[in-house]
Amino acid sequence: SQTIHQWPATLVQPVGSPLSLECTVEGTSNPNLYWYRQAAGRGLQLLFYSVGIGQISSEVPQNLSASRPQDRQFILSSKKLLLSDSGFYLCAWSVEVSYNSPLHFGNGTRLTVT
Amino acid sequence: AQSVTQLGSHVSVSEGALVLLRCNYSSSVPPYLFWYVQYPNQGLQLLLKYTTGATLVKGINGFEAEFKKSETSFHLTKPSAHMSDAAEYFCAVSEGDSWGKFQFGAGTQVVVTP
Repeated sequence: SQTIHQWPATLVQPVGSPLSLECTVEGTSNPNLYWYRQAAGRGLQLLFYSVGIGQISSEVPQNLSASRPQDRQFILSSKKLLLSDSGFYLCAWSVEVSYNSPLHFGNGTRLTVT
Repeated sequence: AQSVTQLGSHVSVSEGALVLLRCNYSSSVPPYLFWYVQYPNQGLQLLLKYTTGATLVKGINGFEAEFKKSETSFHLTKPSAHMSDAAEYFCAVSEGDSWGKFQFGAGTQVVVTP
């Protein structure tokens, strides 16, 4: 069966510090991978999605970036965090090229920028 | 672009009472619709999905939803609420003309009172 791992679960970082969040999927090949952010009291905002190694699409211009160095690994990064980057970050995957395939989410990372 | 509207950001129900969460969508193509549940500090878990076929869809934990094309709705119901149903619920639509991308509603927080 497929599983998705996301870490760390919680993170407190000062403004201006770098960020690296990692997500890996097991049990499937060539998944679509996604990074979402959920700010307090708000819905889900799609940040990045990837359909293959090295293929990243950005949905929202910001100081975050994403990379996919391996088929089942998705990394969210920032060189300098802002206060507004605080939130709950969720990684997700879906079956490649399938309109009706649902998203499967990791347990999320709670990021607090101080 | 497709969109999703969830009516009511907070819903309070008594234990044993009917749970009804409303979701309306806009779409220029046949939609693929999903309901997710999120417990505190966790990722989203798929409750059920509608792709094609039967318009009444049954999901996990006793939930079901009915796709009504004429009303562009996909409301979620459960006949008898349980304390464990307290969570946030998200309706989502898959953009069939732009595969792999999902549009989420703002979410509905459900509180269950004894």
